[in-house]
Amino acid sequence: DTAVSQTPKYLVTQMGNDKSIKCEQNLGHDTMYWYKQDSKKFLKIMFSYNNKELIINETVPNRFSPKSPDKAHLNLHINSLELGDSAVYFCASSPTTGSYGYTFGSGTRLTVV
Amino acid sequence: DQQVKQNSPSLSVQEGRISILNCDYTNSMFDYFLWYKKYPAEGPTFLISISSIKDKNEDGRFTVFLNKSAKHLSLHIVPSQPGDSAVYFCAVRGAQKLVFGQGTRLTINP
Repeated sequence: DTAVSQTPKYLVTQMGNDKSIKCEQNLGHDTMYWYKQDSKKFLKIMFSYNNKELIINETVPNRFSPKSPDKAHLNLHINSLELGDSAVYFCASSPTTGSYGYTFGSGTRLTVV
Repeated sequence: DQQVKQNSPSLSVQEGRISILNCDYTNSMFDYFLWYKKYPAEGPTFLISISSIKDKNEDGRFTVFLNKSAKHLSLHIVPSQPGDSAVYFCAVRGAQKLVFGQGTRLTINP
């Protein structure tokens, strides 16, 4: 039973399209995150939510919009996809915002063509 | 402006020898330092951590060293095993988030 599951695992789409990535955790954690692994391989935080409340919103284009319907789910919607959005997106969760023991999903590889 | 840097993109070590992975950070206010391990097509998994009040933490074959004056963190794996082949990410705990380096790909050769 996967602790943090992301869907889809792979996503290939054309520029200008809108797409969503879903994330669910069954660990009972309060905090969820979206990280982006860019072409330089850094894992950079995009957003974090604590019990459905937005905590961190890094410098991310407005085309990216997270949604947390409940504390077990954090989805990422991307409008008007651009070539530079191609990356691997990781969802993660932790017991609280101060925890450092993150549990990551297996990632979604997004390719924009 | 990267707060955490791993300057070696890759490292190759013979099985049984010691693997040493390095990490530098910029902010002396970070209070927790971590290493995560990542296999292909999987997410990173927590490996070992160290508090800023310590300079060494051991867990089996894995030891993390912290040099606060140099703002330097290292991970020692001894003896190295083939299953240790993976990408290792250094991370620091910042304000309500973990900040990661870009990873070092470790390959253990038989």
